[in-house]
Amino acid sequence: EIVMTQSPATLSVSPGERATLSCRASQSVSSNLAWYQQKPGQAPRLLFYGASTRATGIPARFSGSGSGTEFTLTITSLQSEDFAVYYCQQYNDWPRAFGQGTKVEIK
Amino acid sequence: EEQLLESGGGLVQPGGSLRLSCTASGFTLSNYAMTWVRQAPGKRLEWVSTISSDAGGTFYADSVKGRFTISRDNSKNTLYMQMISLRAEDTAVYYCAKGGFWNGYFSSWGQGTLVTVSS
Repeated sequence: EIVMTQSPATLSVSPGERATLSCRASQSVSSNLAWYQQKPGQAPRLLFYGASTRATGIPARFSGSGSGTEFTLTITSLQSEDFAVYYCQQYNDWPRAFGQGTKVEIK
Repeated sequence: EEQLLESGGGLVQPGGSLRLSCTASGFTLSNYAMTWVRQAPGKRLEWVSTISSDAGGTFYADSVKGRFTISRDNSKNTLYMQMISLRAEDTAVYYCAKGGFWNGYFSSWGQGTLVTVSS
C-alpha cells in the first residue's frame, strides 16, 4: 500500500508571497498524482492531475511538478481565496491514497 | 454545469445500517467511474470505494470491505453506498466524486452527507 506524506503540515504565508508545498510517495507513482484544494465546510476541488496538468478553471499562479516519489505544488503571489488545505492523492495503484494535507494560513 | 448531490446520511447506532445516494446532473453518469470518499472530523480525506462505469468492477478500502457495497443505477443517474455493521470510526462526511477508475483522480465532487455512528 502506497503512503502519501505531505510537508509542512502548516504553512504561514503573507498575501502576495509564494507558497511551496511538498508531497512524497512511499514508492513510485509515476505521474499519477493529483492535487486538491479544500476550504472549510466545502468539498475538495481538483487542481491538478498527471502531476502537472491544470484542471479546468485553475489560475496560472498554481503550478504542479514532480514524478516518481517527489511532487511539488507551488502557488505564486498568494491571493486571499488561496488560503485553504491542500491534499495530494496518488492513483497509480489501489488503494487510492491521500496525503494528510497542508494547511496554508495567513501570516 | 455538473452537479453531484448526496443524501441518506444521518445518525445511526453502532451495528446499524444506512444507504447513501448520489444523484448526478449535467453529465451522463454511465460514461464515468464513480467513487465514494469520506472525511472524519478534522482528518484527511480517505478513499472508500470505486465502481467502474458499467458496474463491472468495484474496489474497496480494507477498512470497509465486507461491510460496504457500492452500486449504481445508470438509468436513474444515481450512485449508491449500502453500509452495514456500522462502527464509530465510520463517522465522517461522505462525498461522492466523479472518476477514480482508469483516470484515478476525482474531477467533480458533491457537497457531502454526514454519517454519525453513535449510541
